[in-house]
Amino acid sequence: AQTVTQSQPEMSVQEAETVTLSCTYDTSESDYYLFWYKQPPSRQMILVIRQEAYKQQNATENRFSVNFQKAAKSFSLKISDSQLGDAAMYFCAYRSPPGTYKYIFGTGTRLKVLA
Amino acid sequence: DTGVSQNPRHKITKRGQNVTFRCDPISEHNRLYWYRQTLGQGPEFLTYFQNEAQLEKSRLLSDRFSAERPKGSFSTLEIQRTEQGDSAMYLCASQKDWGGQETQYFGPGTRLLVL
Repeated sequence: AQTVTQSQPEMSVQEAETVTLSCTYDTSESDYYLFWYKQPPSRQMILVIRQEAYKQQNATENRFSVNFQKAAKSFSLKISDSQLGDAAMYFCAYRSPPGTYKYIFGTGTRLKVLA
Repeated sequence: DTGVSQNPRHKITKRGQNVTFRCDPISEHNRLYWYRQTLGQGPEFLTYFQNEAQLEKSRLLSDRFSAERPKGSFSTLEIQRTEQGDSAMYLCASQKDWGGQETQYFGPGTRLLVL
């Protein structure tokens, strides 16, 4: 069975600094998608960034980028120039190949941004 | 595009009562997901619809839980004979099938407290 592990329950970063959130996963599939979602306090979850497993190039969205290591089954999120609004729970998620579309989420990392 | 909406936002009930939650997805989104999220955890997959067809159910979805999406638009999740362990946030998400390029959009959730 597929699993997603986030080993950092909480992280802190100074405003304007860079922080990396870790995620590892386990699957026997070769075709899948990986996601990072952000859940601000008392607000709904939104997609931060998505990575297709067949793409070797790491995804980037403005200040957010990933380091995707397929062989190591690692998918970390780097947030550059951290802002107060980045404070939230961050969830790593795995989606199985087309045909099932089932998502599996990690337990999350709470990111605190210090002014 | 008004986003995914869920009603009610909060529900307090007594153990043994039945509750029903509603999810209105983004129009034209043919896929709809239900998740359960407990404090400090990531969303756990419950069930998934493609149009009106319920294609997958988690083992978490006991026989007290039932979900419907009768016309392929809104969906309801019913919990019969609620137990204190059912207390959680119930999240709905929808997405449009673009051959694997789609993104899940989450609703604000319904927070259930069973006394």
